[in-house]
Amino acid sequence: QKEVEQDPGPLSVPEGAIVSLNCTYSNSAFQYFMWYRQYSRKGPELLMYTYSSGNKEDGRFTAQVDKSSKYISLFIRDSQPSDSATYLCAMSHGGSQGNLIFGKGTKLSVKP
Amino acid sequence: SQTIHQWPATLVQPVGSPLSLECTVEGTSNPNLYWYRQAAGRGLQLLFYSVGIGQISSEVPQNLSASRPQDRQFILSSKKLLLSDSGFYLCAWSVGTSGRNNEQFFGPGTRLTVL
Repeated sequence: QKEVEQDPGPLSVPEGAIVSLNCTYSNSAFQYFMWYRQYSRKGPELLMYTYSSGNKEDGRFTAQVDKSSKYISLFIRDSQPSDSATYLCAMSHGGSQGNLIFGKGTKLSVKP
Repeated sequence: SQTIHQWPATLVQPVGSPLSLECTVEGTSNPNLYWYRQAAGRGLQLLFYSVGIGQISSEVPQNLSASRPQDRQFILSSKKLLLSDSGFYLCAWSVGTSGRNNEQFFGPGTRLTVL
């Protein structure tokens, strides 16, 4: 079983839809969870950061962590064509040797 | 504010030729630095990371090497490129690895094609 699993998509939705992106993981020691957005041919940019369980909201974006299920989600409300990108989840246990473990990314396309 | 630069942006090289990719970070001191490769369908593969000048950890055995000659400079090299070295190479930095310091910030990337 891979440490982090992420459905690669592609996911295509109409403009204005609510998008749900998900990752599952196997290492119960993970405590720090991030979502990155990567536009085509660009470097990933940090979108959301969450520590431990719970929700975090930033504008149209909500990050959710369920440590009991080892499941994290990113919700995008009122999706826009500019949200079309690949979304990568990343996580770490936060220790001194805790490098980030990335999912493979989900490619999202929002159609106008 | 912190910025991270990579060059070149794109590179086309013949098999067997040498490689040198450079990454520099501005606006921070003693960052952790990382080299990743991103190939289609394979996600981000961590190649090297460095916690200080001259300190390099290799994650994947291959014909690539990394060096950190200055605090905010990270170089990825190869003596002889293989076809399988083609990909999108990303440099990243973080404050550290503990707790939230592990947030990584990426450069614009170098797209390498080996022919």
